[in-house]
Amino acid sequence: SAVISQKPSRDICQRGTSLTIQCQVDSQVTMMFWYRQQPGQSLTLIATANQGSEATYESGFVIDKFPISRPNLTFSTLTVSNMSPEDSSIYLCSARDRGTLGYTFGSGTRLTVV
Amino acid sequence: GNSVTQMEGPVTLSEEAFLTINCTYTATGYPSLFWYVQYPGEGLQLLLKATKADDKGSNKGFEATYRKETTSFHLEKGSVQVSDSAVYFCALLPVYNQGGKLIFGQGTELSVKP
Repeated sequence: SAVISQKPSRDICQRGTSLTIQCQVDSQVTMMFWYRQQPGQSLTLIATANQGSEATYESGFVIDKFPISRPNLTFSTLTVSNMSPEDSSIYLCSARDRGTLGYTFGSGTRLTVV
Repeated sequence: GNSVTQMEGPVTLSEEAFLTINCTYTATGYPSLFWYVQYPGEGLQLLLKATKADDKGSNKGFEATYRKETTSFHLEKGSVQVSDSAVYFCALLPVYNQGGKLIFGQGTELSVKP
């Protein structure tokens, strides 16, 4: 199955700034997903990122706050913009292997906004 | 709609005890079912999966059987180890795919004491 390299693994950021999280997959994948996981909680899907099209955002998440890029079949970025302490969370990317049911996850980015 | 319900945690067991984590689902038709594990400070890893009724997924001593009649996919292990301490997520992939989005349960934290 695919392997995802996600970075940074953690960061502490000032409020009002932005952070871009990167995910690199070691093989071509059709679908990539971005999740937020607040402490002790389950995963909440932010958006689906398909190559060559705009990301599809879930209810409660907007492009201005969480812009996503998907320039090719192996790479995606999520930016958390104009951060506030409420954005402190773990952000995870995931990829679905082409033609299979294999979903692989990155190791996560632990974001603290101060 | 589609949903997954897991037993609440935390679950605390002694080493070598028997483990059951309950998972029930609501979905149309025959979704694919998954168990993911998240070790402290890491992303999610696929533990096992089942794609049709009566399928049994197994891995690392863990098992789960796809029960259509009870809409359940309970996770079991005969003898847990301290290294099994983690958060376990049950998830489903709707049969009509709905954009390939996994639906996660709320997660169950397992703590195994020596």
